[in-house]
Amino acid sequence: GENVEQHPSTLSVQEGDSAVIKCTYSDSASNYFPWYKQELGKRPQLIIDIRSNVGEKKDQRIAVTLNKTAKHFSLHITETQPEDSAVYFCAASDMRFGAGTRLTVKP
Amino acid sequence: DAMVIQNPRYQVTQFGKPVTLSCSQTLNHNVMYWYQQKSSQAPKLLFHYYDKDFNNEADTPDNFQSRRPNTSFCFLDIRSPGLGDAAMYLCATSATSGGEFEQYFGPGTRLTVT
Repeated sequence: GENVEQHPSTLSVQEGDSAVIKCTYSDSASNYFPWYKQELGKRPQLIIDIRSNVGEKKDQRIAVTLNKTAKHFSLHITETQPEDSAVYFCAASDMRFGAGTRLTVKP
Repeated sequence: DAMVIQNPRYQVTQFGKPVTLSCSQTLNHNVMYWYQQKSSQAPKLLFHYYDKDFNNEADTPDNFQSRRPNTSFCFLDIRSPGLGDAAMYLCATSATSGGEFEQYFGPGTRLTVT
């Protein structure tokens, strides 16, 4: 099955800075890569996803890039705000989650 | 409107006493998933149904079983809960028809084992 690795496990940035979280996957057949944000006590919430036929997708301050050759994809958050503080998870087609990244945005 | 519903939201059971968690959906999605999430950990996929086909993760304990009597409902049965099974259990759905993959999560059931 798919093996998704996520780094870093924790990330602390100043408000207004950018944050980047990276994931690698093992199954070259994977063709769907979602990113979830989970706040304490809540369910995971899909924030952006990308399919293998594109290399980049952007939605306001959030973007995801995909490198199929290298089998990695990344989440980019620009102009971070304190409300971006949460745990972020990546996943691949088989819906197994990465280990998560705890993002803290300091005011 | 609620799309993925989990009942109950909180469940307390005794050590070794069987318990069933339920999930229902109004999305008519053909795929349903069960995840276990312990504190400060990622959701761990236990199993999923692709239509009626059951797919068990290799490391899911035999203590965990599932049933999907129809498209809308899916159940998680824990035959003999141990203290280590205390966790949040998340149900999710997705539609694979038409190239849709997005997962929709229910609010979860928090299981306490005493």
